Order: sequence, then structure tokens, then C-alpha cells
Amino acid sequence: DQQVKQNSPSLSVQEGRISILNCDYTNSMFDYFLWYKKYPAEGPTFLISISSIKDKNEDGRFTVFLNKSAKHLSLHIVPSQPGDSAVYFCAASFSGNTGKLIFGQGTTLQVKP
Amino acid sequence: NAGVTQTPKFRILKIGQSMTLQCAQDMNHNYMYWYRQDPGMGLKLIYYSVGAGITDKGEVPNGYNVSRSTTEDFPLRLELAAPSQTSVYFCASSRNRVGETQYFGPGTRLLVL
Repeated sequence: DQQVKQNSPSLSVQEGRISILNCDYTNSMFDYFLWYKKYPAEGPTFLISISSIKDKNEDGRFTVFLNKSAKHLSLHIVPSQPGDSAVYFCAASFSGNTGKLIFGQGTTLQVKP
Repeated sequence: NAGVTQTPKFRILKIGQSMTLQCAQDMNHNYMYWYRQDPGMGLKLIYYSVGAGITDKGEVPNGYNVSRSTTEDFPLRLELAAPSQTSVYFCASSRNRVGETQYFGPGTRLLVL
């Protein structure tokens, strides 16, 4: 049972344009969502997060939107840069779960110069 | 700060052999986690620890064991290695639970033949 899904395995965008990465979840108990970025041969690094009491969180070029009714979140990167090319993982957690994260399968983003 | 370190980076095991994957963090984090990542999949939690002497199972604990004798170290033991354990293993740590960023190590690539 895949509780967190990233249905697009890959995404290709042109440098300077917007990248939109999507994530769906099934468990309504989730109350905290995170995005991690991963380069080859490295561990994931934290990018941005959002609590379920918010519907938007912004950090520089990165914005995460949460739609609780649709159980959907998205990561917007504007403008996209070649250095953003990586695998992006969506993850979810809920209070009282000792911080355990449930990860999606990941989306590989390629930003073309 | 070195952050989260993992050794070895790569290892080939024969079926039935055993080994210990080492993980250490120097951030004085209470929580530590072991994940595995199979090709094209997200990270799945194997075991986690909320402090020295306290460990618990994650989603996929079968075939693994852990111990946490100190705050800094969280080794993962594979007994009787099987081809299904071929994967990339990531260790992570966080100061607290929900809402706290997990910091990941660079990973250990394990091949069981």
C-alpha cells in the first residue's frame, strides 16, 4: 500500500522556466510534509517542508503547496536552474509517529540549459 | 561537524555472509534511522531509534538487526545476506521527531551475489 505517491518518474524543463513536481497521499493522518533532493551517490538533503495547518510555504525559489481536500502537494521551482537537476522525494509524517517518514518513489528532474 | 557518516561506501557480499553497516553522527541527535532504497523506489524505513538503548522496527525489518549503545552510533547488522538485500542503505538522524529535519548520510551500496 503506497501511502505517498509520485506518479511522474521524470520531468524535463528548460532553464529559467517553472518546474512543478507533484505528490499525492492517501493517509489523512499525515500532518507534516517534506521535500528532499538527492544527487547521485549522495544522501537526500532536506529542501522544504509544510505543516498541514498551512497551504503554502515559500523559501527562495522553492514553494510547496498543500491541498488537504485533494490530498495533494506540489513543489514549484522558479526559475529552474541546471543545478536543480536531481531526484526529488516527497515524504510525509504524522504526530506521534516518532518522526518516521513515508517516502514517495521520487521524480527525476532534468533542467536543460 | 562531519554530520552523518557511513562506512563502507560499497560492499559485495556472498549469499549467507553477514556484515555490519556503520553509522555515526556528531550532532548529538536523539533520533536515528536506517532506510533502504531499491532502484526506482522511495526510501523504506528498516529500523529506528529514539535514544541510546531504545530501538524499534520500521516497515521492512526482516533480515536486519540494530543496536544503539551510544547517542552517536547506530550500526545495522545483516545476518545471512540474501540477494533481496541488494540495495542502497541510508542512515539518518534528527534532533527530535515530527517537524525536525532528518539529516542523511551518503549511503552504503550493497550488492549480494
